[in-house]
Amino acid sequence: DTAVSQTPKYLVTQMGNDKSIKCEQNLGHDTMYWYKQDSKKFLKIMFSYNNKELIINETVPNRFSPKSPDKAHLNLHINSLELGDSAVYFCASSQGADEQFFGPGTRLTVL
Amino acid sequence: DQQVKQNSPSLSVQEGRISILNCDYTNSMFDYFLWYKKYPAEGPTFLISISSIKDKNEDGRFTVFLNKSAKHLSLHIVPSQPGDSAVYFCAAWGNSNYQLIWGAGTKLIIKP
Repeated sequence: DTAVSQTPKYLVTQMGNDKSIKCEQNLGHDTMYWYKQDSKKFLKIMFSYNNKELIINETVPNRFSPKSPDKAHLNLHINSLELGDSAVYFCASSQGADEQFFGPGTRLTVL
Repeated sequence: DQQVKQNSPSLSVQEGRISILNCDYTNSMFDYFLWYKKYPAEGPTFLISISSIKDKNEDGRFTVFLNKSAKHLSLHIVPSQPGDSAVYFCAAWGNSNYQLIWGAGTKLIIKP
């Protein structure tokens, strides 16, 4: 049983396109996150949702829009993709401030 | 402005020996620290944590030490095994911003 799952695992697309990455957790956690791992391998928080409410929104271009239809899902939609958006995106979940459980990552390549 | 620093990008250790991974932080408000392990093409997985009220936490082969005055923590793995080869991330939690702050990671290579 996969605790935190993301789809797709790989995403290759052209500049200017719009794409979505889906995340689901079956751990019953109340908090979900999106991270971006850049070329220097830093893990940077993008968004955090607690019980479907946005609680962290770091300085991310507004082309990135998270959507949480319910506590178990946090999807990431990206409009007008740019070359610099190429990265690995990780979804994670936690129960409050406890340890975070990560999905396998989505490698996004923008051509 | 890196609040959590892992100054060694990589570390190579002989199998069976002790691996010591280091992490420094700048924010004295951090009160909870975690180590994560990451294999290629997988998400990070939680390894061990320590609260700021403690100076040591042990779990099997893994021990984390916290020196609050030096704002330094370290992860000791003994004995090191080939399966320990991975990237190790240090992360700190501060209640003021409700998010984990991550270091850049240290790639540990265990040589046979």
